[in-house]
Amino acid sequence: NAGVTQTPKFQVLKTGQSMTLQCAQDMNHNSMYWYRQDPGMGLRLIYYSASEGTTDKGEVPNGYNVSRLNKREFSLRLESAAPSQTSVYFCASSVRTPGLAGATGELFFGEGSRLTVL
Amino acid sequence: AQRVTQPEKLLSVFKGAPVELKCNYSYSGSPELFWYVQYSRQRLQLLLRHISRESIKGFTADLNKGETSFHLKKPFAQEEDSAMYYCALSGGASGTYKYIFGTGTRLKVLA
Repeated sequence: NAGVTQTPKFQVLKTGQSMTLQCAQDMNHNSMYWYRQDPGMGLRLIYYSASEGTTDKGEVPNGYNVSRLNKREFSLRLESAAPSQTSVYFCASSVRTPGLAGATGELFFGEGSRLTVL
Repeated sequence: AQRVTQPEKLLSVFKGAPVELKCNYSYSGSPELFWYVQYSRQRLQLLLRHISRESIKGFTADLNKGETSFHLKKPFAQEEDSAMYYCALSGGASGTYKYIFGTGTRLKVLA
């Protein structure tokens, strides 16, 4: 069982280049998330998708776009990379059952993608 | 505003000593609180959630709505507890799907 798979694992970009981080989950989860992890800043939510067809901004959405391609896949795009976007990016997914106590499911994380922007 | 605060970046304790990792939150509504752990070279994983009220690996956490806290405790630390710990919050039954994390606390258990 693969769980949450992210690609690529490592990437080096020059300022101004674009790239897309891919994420796929095989657990039939309805919600998916993109985070960035920086020293001293913890995990910050970039974008999330509550369900297929919907996306919403998180805490730090500027400079990023997302696409919820289908229930399995949630991609993160950097249109014009900046050095401030050097970080480790994590994709995560969960199942959520609205209307019930304990509705929020456990987050399952990918291994992370280390991005360096020069 | 939805916010999670972990005041300690680093906590060092000796093996066998008690551990308390602090977490305070801000949320208008009934949130669900979680602790996640990241061991060296492993994926982030759920440690425990407030609604389960269970003890995992000897850790417990009680939700204190009056103090808006969800501190993680263990009576006797073990070396294998050394890791990065994150407190997280999300909306409950009718709340937001946003899943917010604190800045994390690195726990070092010394021999």
